[in-house]
Amino acid sequence: DTGVSQDPRHKITKRGQNVTFRCDPISEHNRLYWYRQTLGQGPEFLTYFQNEAQLEKSRLLSDRFSAERPKGSFSTLEIQRTEQGDSAMYLCASSPGVLAGGLILREQYFGPGTRLTVT
Amino acid sequence: SQQGEEDPQALSIQEGENATMNCSYKTSINNLQWYRQNSGRGLVHLILIRSNEREKHSGRLRVTLDTSKKSSSLLITASRAADTASYFCATDQGAQKLVFGQGTRLTINP
Repeated sequence: DTGVSQDPRHKITKRGQNVTFRCDPISEHNRLYWYRQTLGQGPEFLTYFQNEAQLEKSRLLSDRFSAERPKGSFSTLEIQRTEQGDSAMYLCASSPGVLAGGLILREQYFGPGTRLTVT
Repeated sequence: SQQGEEDPQALSIQEGENATMNCSYKTSINNLQWYRQNSGRGLVHLILIRSNEREKHSGRLRVTLDTSKKSSSLLITASRAADTASYFCATDQGAQKLVFGQGTRLTINP
């Protein structure tokens, strides 16, 4: 399977615990995005990487959230001191970005998501 | 916060009928994209329409874009049970991120 993968698919944790999610994008994609989706809503942007550089962060990404993409390949999203309001589906997406010749492909390819439940 | 609104929030039709979903947005865009999400799964890209395009087709999908009204529509013709899903429009404002609407939940009845 050469699509975007996320691990774990489900995570149940107690309030106050730390959790970390992993995303493996499509291998040749240099752009990687994290979104959060709550029940009945569309995904909301959290942060975006171009290779290993984190170029944009939403104000939704409080100090308890941190994301990394150390080698420009996989990415991790960590939530410290989880709260019940953090319960959501966390989606990762990747896109090719700028191709040779300057063409920019803007379609995003999503992983299956990690569903977090904070009890 | 989310960019736009989708209408209707839920739609239920008979198999074989056409389904039309509408999306409105608030700011200037580079392009608008439609995605499908099956229950509890990730999103699948369906079609992208650029701001200088007015209509685009892909198989049974037809998308229109009216930038003067800041609105788009997605038409699915000859619907099938497998089309049952939530459909989201997403605007690309040139800042790399996508801004999604709240989605339309489509149910195709056999």
